[in-house]
This record gives sequence, C-alpha cells and structure tokens, in this order.
Amino acid sequence: EIVLTESPGTLFLSPGERATLSCRASQSVSSSYFAWYQQKPGQAPRLLIYGASSRATGIPDRFSGSGSGTDFTLTIDRLEPEDFAVYYCQQYGSSPVTFGQGTKVQSK
Amino acid sequence: QVQLQESGPGLVKPSETLSLTCAVSGYSVSGGYYWGWIRQAPGKGLEWIGSISHNGNIYYNPSLKSRLTMSVDTSKNQFSLKLSSVTAADTAIYYCARGLTIIVVAPFDYWGQGTLVTVSS
Repeated sequence: EIVLTESPGTLFLSPGERATLSCRASQSVSSSYFAWYQQKPGQAPRLLIYGASSRATGIPDRFSGSGSGTDFTLTIDRLEPEDFAVYYCQQYGSSPVTFGQGTKVQSK
Repeated sequence: QVQLQESGPGLVKPSETLSLTCAVSGYSVSGGYYWGWIRQAPGKGLEWIGSISHNGNIYYNPSLKSRLTMSVDTSKNQFSLKLSSVTAADTAIYYCARGLTIIVVAPFDYWGQGTLVTVSS
C-alpha cells in the first residue's frame, strides 16, 4: 500500500497569499495517477486536480498541481476566502487507492 | 448534471451487516466509468472502500475485502455496498462517487452528499 504524507498539517495564511501544500508518497506513483481534493465542513470532497497537474472541470486557474514520482505539490495562488478548507492528496495508480491525512488551510 | 444520493440505515448493530445504496441520476451506470464508495470516520481522513464498473469489474480495499460485497443494478440505475460483521470502527460518513475515467477507478469527480452510519447497540 502506498502511504501518502501531507505537509504541513495546518497552514496559516491570509487572503491574497500563496499556499503551497506538499504530499510525499512512500513509493513512486505510476503514470502520475495523482489527485488533489478540497473538503469544506459538512461537504463531500471536491476534485481539484487529477493526473498530477490537470485541473478538473470548473476549477479556477489559481489552483495548480505539479510533481511526479514520489513528490507532489498543490499551489493556490492568491487565496480567496472560500479556499480555506482541508485538502487531501490521493494516488490511484496502485491498489488500494489511498489518501493523505489532509492539510488544513486556515485563516491567519 | 450527474447526481448521486446515498441511502440506508443510519444505525447498525455490532456484528450485523451495513447495507447502502447509491442512486444515480443524470447518467446511466451502464454507460461506463467506475462507481466507488469512500468513507470518513468522524473528524478523520478519507478511506477508499472499493469500486465497481458497469460490467462487473470490482476492486476492493484489501483491508475490507473479506467483509465487502458491491453490486450494480442497471435496471434501477444504482449501485450498492454491503459490509458484514461491523464494529464501532466502521462508524463513518459513507460517500458514493463516480470515477472520472473508464480506465482507472479514480479520481472521483461526482460525489453524493454522504450518509452517516453509526455502529452501536
């Protein structure tokens, strides 16, 4: 099983700042089968990024993903008030599909 | 617009079987894609349970495989989950979701709102 470790656990930022979230895999993720989700309290997760760097339908271009192998990054440029949430990484190249433990982006 | 809606008992007794159904609207379950279940224990992260395709390809999380059964009912445009011998550790919000492509089981682009299942006597 591929274990995903996200860092930091919590990110304290202000609107307008840039958020950089990291996710490290315990083994190489095949074919960049890697995704990022956003989850707000009481809501289902929302797909942001798939294939490591492709934005899902309707996702603003301030969200971008990068990385390959074992190291992946989600960047949020110019944080908007609605971006404060928990973010999860996911790999789907090996079974079982696994998620990271989450990074909370919190208002400073 | 694809919509998914979970349904099932909110309370299940220990050692019994948890049964959930996900009704799909706006898309036919027989039209391709994988259909998955994901759960989230209160205050915790996400755990993939398993995924099933319209033609019966099934992938289970090995940690749950011995207790899991998933199925698709194309006549009702829904898919289902059964988890046997439940314990308090199975208490979670259960989400159903659709896979983004027909090639791999994830990622998940459409999600249900989730249903809380509590295991307690």
